[in-house]
Amino acid sequence: GAGVSQTPSNKVTEKGKYVELRCDPISGHTALYWYRQSLGQGPEFLIYFQGTGAADDSGLPNDRFFAVRPEGSVSTLKIQRTERGDSAVYLCASSLGLADAVQFGPGTRLTVL
Amino acid sequence: LAKTTQPISMDSYEGQEVNITCSHNNIATNDYITWYQQFPSQGPRFIIQGYKTKVTNEVASLFIPADRKSSTLSLPRVSLSDTAVYYCLVGSRTSMDTGRRALTFGSGTRLQVQP
Repeated sequence: GAGVSQTPSNKVTEKGKYVELRCDPISGHTALYWYRQSLGQGPEFLIYFQGTGAADDSGLPNDRFFAVRPEGSVSTLKIQRTERGDSAVYLCASSLGLADAVQFGPGTRLTVL
Repeated sequence: LAKTTQPISMDSYEGQEVNITCSHNNIATNDYITWYQQFPSQGPRFIIQGYKTKVTNEVASLFIPADRKSSTLSLPRVSLSDTAVYYCLVGSRTSMDTGRRALTFGSGTRLQVQP
């Protein structure tokens, strides 16, 4: 596709469960970002990849959150032992490089019951 | 990270020009100013980016005074479809900087366009 895609679009899980959220960036984009957004707030930075490596993971709230990008394209955000406070829209974005305009995907709405 | 301050909300009518001002008093020399638009249930969409003076594209204009401590996003002749949240971001584009510095969002300005 032409834009960043994210799957699933919605995910409902129970407290304590493990979830994976997938991001397919725009083809050729080397930079990939994960954000999360709570209702009424701006997006909050989580982690940034340049290629396969996490260049900055300072936004990950704790060690229950982990993200990978093994081949420098698709990325997966993994959340262990989910908590109700993890409920949010998780946004993925990509850009050709750090200096280029960042394009966002539609997000995955995660609800932890 | 340079902090930005924007009005929480603004109201306008169709056909009017809308100017949203963002304050960024501690902007750094290498920082650029970027504006994003976000509709409900969608990811933010890049609108415009600038460093100084004026930048114009097919969607908007961005005015940046000489001291760069503020910037104004100008939307000409808004329509109902311009109702959205607008975010002002300040960050460096250099390859030395991290993703966090490149894109730190505030709470944005909620623009409501009335018929």
